[in-house]
Amino acid sequence: GAVVSQHPSRVICKSGTSVKIECRSLDFQATTMFWYRQFPKQSLMLMATSNEGSKATYEQGVEKDKFLINHASLTLSTLTVTSAHPEDSSFYICSASRTKNTEAFFGQGTRLTVV
Amino acid sequence: AQSVAQPEDQVNVAEGNPLTVKCTYSVSGNPYLFWYVQYPNRGLQFLLKYITGDNLVKGSYGFEAEFNKSQTSFHLKKPSALVSDSALYFCAVRDEGNNDMRFGAGTRLTVKP
Repeated sequence: GAVVSQHPSRVICKSGTSVKIECRSLDFQATTMFWYRQFPKQSLMLMATSNEGSKATYEQGVEKDKFLINHASLTLSTLTVTSAHPEDSSFYICSASRTKNTEAFFGQGTRLTVV
Repeated sequence: AQSVAQPEDQVNVAEGNPLTVKCTYSVSGNPYLFWYVQYPNRGLQFLLKYITGDNLVKGSYGFEAEFNKSQTSFHLKKPSALVSDSALYFCAVRDEGNNDMRFGAGTRLTVKP
C-alpha cells in the first residue's frame, strides 16, 4: 500500500508554454500533498504544501502565479508550470501524506526540460 | 519554520561494520522525524519515523534511529552495513504546529566490500 504515482516522468517543452504534472495517491486518501524541486546532487527544496480543498501554501521565493497548484480531491494534486523558461528545468517531486503527523510517500518524480 | 541538518555529505563504511548517519533538527513544537532513502533513478523510500513513544525506532531493511530530545538529534543506525545499503539518505522533519515537511541536505552512504 501507500503508492504515489506521478505523471509524466519526463517532459520536454518549448519556452513560453505551460506544463502540467499530476500526482495521485493510488491506495490512500491524502489530506496533504507536497511539491518539491530537486537540483542535481542536492536536497529536496519544498516549493509548496497543499491541503485538499484549500489554497496551497507556498514557500518564500516560489512564485504562486508561475507554479499553480491544485489539490481538488483527496487523491489528486497537480502542479502547472506556466510560461516555462529554461531556468525552470529541474526534477520535480510530489509526495502525499494521510494526515498531519504521518510519513509522506513519494512519487517517482518528473524531469522537466524547457528548450 | 522547522529545519534539519545533516552534517556529513558523505559516509564511508566497510561491509559488516556498523553505520551511523547523523541528523539534527530544529522545531518550535514537538517534532515528527523521518528517514528516507533514495537509490539512483528511484523515488524516495520511507525507512522509519518517530512520532511519539520509545526513543529507539526500528524500520525497514534493519535500520533503526534514536530520538534524542536533549541533543535534538535523530541519527540513523544499522548494526551491520551491506553493500546494497549504498544510497542517498535524507532526514526530514514535520512540526506539529505546521503542516509542511522539510528535508536535510542528504548524506551519501557508501558501503565498501
